[in-house]
Amino acid sequence: GENVEQHPSTLSVQEGDSAVIKCTYSDSASNYFPWYKQELGKGPQLIIDIRSNVGEKKDQRIAVTLNKTAKHFSLHITETQPEDSAVYFCAAKDTNAGKSTFGDGTTLTVKP
Amino acid sequence: DGGITQSPKYLFRKEGQNVTLSCEQNLNHDAMYWYRQDPGQGLRLIYYSQIVNDFQKGDIAEGYSVSREKKESFPLTVTSAQKNPTAFYLCATQPRARRGEQFFGPGTRLTVL
Repeated sequence: GENVEQHPSTLSVQEGDSAVIKCTYSDSASNYFPWYKQELGKGPQLIIDIRSNVGEKKDQRIAVTLNKTAKHFSLHITETQPEDSAVYFCAAKDTNAGKSTFGDGTTLTVKP
Repeated sequence: DGGITQSPKYLFRKEGQNVTLSCEQNLNHDAMYWYRQDPGQGLRLIYYSQIVNDFQKGDIAEGYSVSREKKESFPLTVTSAQKNPTAFYLCATQPRARRGEQFFGPGTRLTVL
C-alpha cells in the first residue's frame, strides 16, 4: 500500500519568514496530493492541492510543488503570520482507488 | 466543516460499552469516510463508503462497524472489541465530481473511562 512520510514534525519560524514542509510517497499510482490545515480541536481544512499532471500550484502565500520522478511534494508558505500556526497534513491518493494516505503532520508555530 | 455534522463533540463511555458516533452531511457527496486521530499522529482510515449500502474496511477496521443506509448518514460504532478506543474521530465526505478532495467534519472526541 501507499506510505507517506512527512518532515519536519515540528517547525518554528519568525513572523514574515517562509516555511517549507516536505512529503514523500511510495506508490507511483498516486495522482492527487492535498494539503490540509488543522487548528486545535477542529477538523482538517483543505488549503491547496495538486494533481500529477501539474508541477506547481500557487494560491496567494501558499504554493505546492510536485516532483513525480522523485515521488515528493512540498508545501511552501511565504510571509508567515501568527494565524498560520496549526498542524499541517499532506496526503497522497490514487483517485481510482478510493482512499487517501496521510502523513503524520507538521506542527507549525509562527512567532510574532 | 460546512454541511457535515458530527455529534456530540465530546463523548464519554465506560469500558466495555458499545458507542455509536454520528456523521450527517447535506452536501450530496457520494463518498464518506471515518478516520481516527491520536495525539501527534496522522489520520488513519477506519472505514469508507463510496455508495449507499456499500462500504470497505480501511487500515484499522478491527473493533469498529459502520452502516450506509442513506446517502446523508454514515454512523460509526465503536465496539467493546476495540482495545484502545479513546481518540479523536473525524468524518469526511468526497464529491464524485471532484475526485480526491475531501471535506472534514468538526470531529468527536471519544473518551472511554
